Amino acid sequence: EVVMTQSPATLSVSPGERVTVSCRASLSVGSRLAWYQQKPGQTPRLLIYDTSTRATDIPTRFSGSGSGTEFTLTISGLQSEDCAVYYCHQYDTWPPVWTFGQGTKVEI
Amino acid sequence: QVRLVESGGGVVQPGGSLRLSCAASGFFFGGYGMHWVRQRPGKGLEWVAFTRYDESLKYYADSVKGRHTVSRDNSKNILYLQMNNLRPEDTAVYYCARDQPAPWGQGTRVTVPS
Repeated sequence: EVVMTQSPATLSVSPGERVTVSCRASLSVGSRLAWYQQKPGQTPRLLIYDTSTRATDIPTRFSGSGSGTEFTLTISGLQSEDCAVYYCHQYDTWPPVWTFGQGTKVEI
Repeated sequence: QVRLVESGGGVVQPGGSLRLSCAASGFFFGGYGMHWVRQRPGKGLEWVAFTRYDESLKYYADSVKGRHTVSRDNSKNILYLQMNNLRPEDTAVYYCARDQPAPWGQGTRVTVPS
């Protein structure tokens, strides 16, 4: 099983700041890495897939980068509505046993 | 656009059974593998099961292997999760998801009281 490790666990920032969330895979997952945003009581929302492709209707302030085992989600200019938990997700392995990071809480 | 709607959750006593459904629309359901993912209260996301597009391959998390069965009806665009011998640790919101990244449904809540 590929273990996904996110850092930090919690991030306290000010509005307008740049936010960086890291995700490390225990084995290479190529570029098959996605990011989700989850607000309390809501479904995880797909933000980024294939490392850097924004999903439909996702604002351009969200971007993803990386490859292999090291990945980053960047929010350029945090807005209050971005306060949420963010999860990374690898979907590279066969058999298709998905694994997720433990989540990073972004708060103001 | 991709739309997934889960249903069938509820409260069930330990040892009981439940069948979850996921109705898919907006894409060619019969051409994609499908997954179930769950989220226990206050916890992160946990993969549960996968079925290939034609049910020729199925995989399960160790925590549900032998108790839960994933299946699908491609003629109706529906994915199922038959959950047997339910335990309190199965309490979670269950989501279905397409094998290639796409928006998830709203989930269905399963509660197994201890």
